[in-house]
Amino acid sequence: QSALTQPASVSGSPGQSITISCTGTSSDVGGYKYVSWYQQHPGKAPKLMIYDVSYRPSGVSNRFSGSKSGNTASLTISGLQAEDEADYYCTSYTVSSTYVFGTGTKVTVL
Amino acid sequence: EEQLVQSGAEVKKPGDSLRISCKGSGYIFSTYWINWVRQMPGKGLEWMGRIDPSDSYTIYSPSFQGHVTISADTSISTAYLQWSSLKASDTAMYYCARQIRDSGGYYVNWFDLWGQGTLVTVSS
Repeated sequence: QSALTQPASVSGSPGQSITISCTGTSSDVGGYKYVSWYQQHPGKAPKLMIYDVSYRPSGVSNRFSGSKSGNTASLTISGLQAEDEADYYCTSYTVSSTYVFGTGTKVTVL
Repeated sequence: EEQLVQSGAEVKKPGDSLRISCKGSGYIFSTYWINWVRQMPGKGLEWMGRIDPSDSYTIYSPSFQGHVTISADTSISTAYLQWSSLKASDTAMYYCARQIRDSGGYYVNWFDLWGQGTLVTVSS
């Protein structure tokens, strides 16, 4: 079961918007509306940011949004802030009733 | 406050056995699934498997099937991840993560609550 493909790094200046892609197959991302995104700061546990492709949990800033087209899901961070600097991982439900994470993306705020 | 509290860091030798734990509090432990996630040093997250504490039904990632065992004891609200013979390549941080039900009683497909992680180091 191969990891979903994410860019290794994405960067942007404060206030800008960035988008992180997450590419899978029709057996995972493309086949279900069950993509979630997690933020992980160094030395910390992951934190849920987006679930079911585009829904935000209570308490997560509305600067974070998610979408999906075909086999690729995306996380957009608008109004980039210094605190957004972290690693981001997507995950998807799969046809085998398991889950697969993305390779992870390091977001740098310039 | 709902939380998952994991056992402390472990240092083991190759061939040793090990069981690490994840204790839930602030909610009814048996009602939600517990997942385990590996993060090797400097690497990404990997889903290992999950357990339904109410009936101990487990499902594993093909990558981890046969290498680890996930179990739970609802009487003490604790899930476990265990190895019978550790390898150096098992050195990693291990997280447990909860998977809840929605208002219709169906399990959601995201992990809303995470433990703080248990660092396992395997070295001769």
